[in-house]
Amino acid sequence: DSGVTQTPKHLITATGQRVTLRCSPRSGDLSVYWYQQSLDQGLQFLIQYYNGEERAKGNILERFSAQQFPDLHSELNLSSLELGDSALYFCASSVGQATNEKLFFGSGTQLSVL
Amino acid sequence: SQKIEQNSEALNIQEGKTATLTCNYTNYSPAYLQWYRQDPGRGPVFLLLIRENEKEKRKERLKVTFDTTLKQSLFHITASQPADSATYLCALRTPGNSGYALNFGKGTSLLVTP
Repeated sequence: DSGVTQTPKHLITATGQRVTLRCSPRSGDLSVYWYQQSLDQGLQFLIQYYNGEERAKGNILERFSAQQFPDLHSELNLSSLELGDSALYFCASSVGQATNEKLFFGSGTQLSVL
Repeated sequence: SQKIEQNSEALNIQEGKTATLTCNYTNYSPAYLQWYRQDPGRGPVFLLLIRENEKEKRKERLKVTFDTTLKQSLFHITASQPADSATYLCALRTPGNSGYALNFGKGTSLLVTP
């Protein structure tokens, strides 16, 4: 158990809908990262937060947004969902934001858009 | 743009042999490189981190090398066991759209047969 909690584990929804994925980092970790994993694209970095502030951004779609709350949990919001958004979404956390930080991953949320 | 390339073909080896996986990167000079293990349907798990001034790092049956001239890292598992079967990902921090993101290669699948 990595100590990173993601909910829900599975999510099935329809195109055009909006969903929220939730992540609780390990106790004491200040950084939260979101990744999307699909079979053909591999693990794609979406966004990183450190202590409530956005720190790094990948090729995150404008339909996607995230935030980190004062209690350090994070939410990833996906809107106007398309079939291609179906993927495994991972949250990870690390202690800080140094370049040598190792990440601890949650077990992921499997999103299916029908 | 930065690229992290891992052999997309699965590596099949016999138990007891040494598995060697390759990670090549372009257009960047990272200070650190990390290796993770991922089992099907689960989040990646951190294995090793190597710094640019370290030629080699070991942890139990694992060995990682880092050649900054070749822009390549090799990941070795000695005395491989069926339990080592998994996908192995290399990762390094590269400049993203904003900030530095920890980006992953697509991974190499390793299958160790008895």
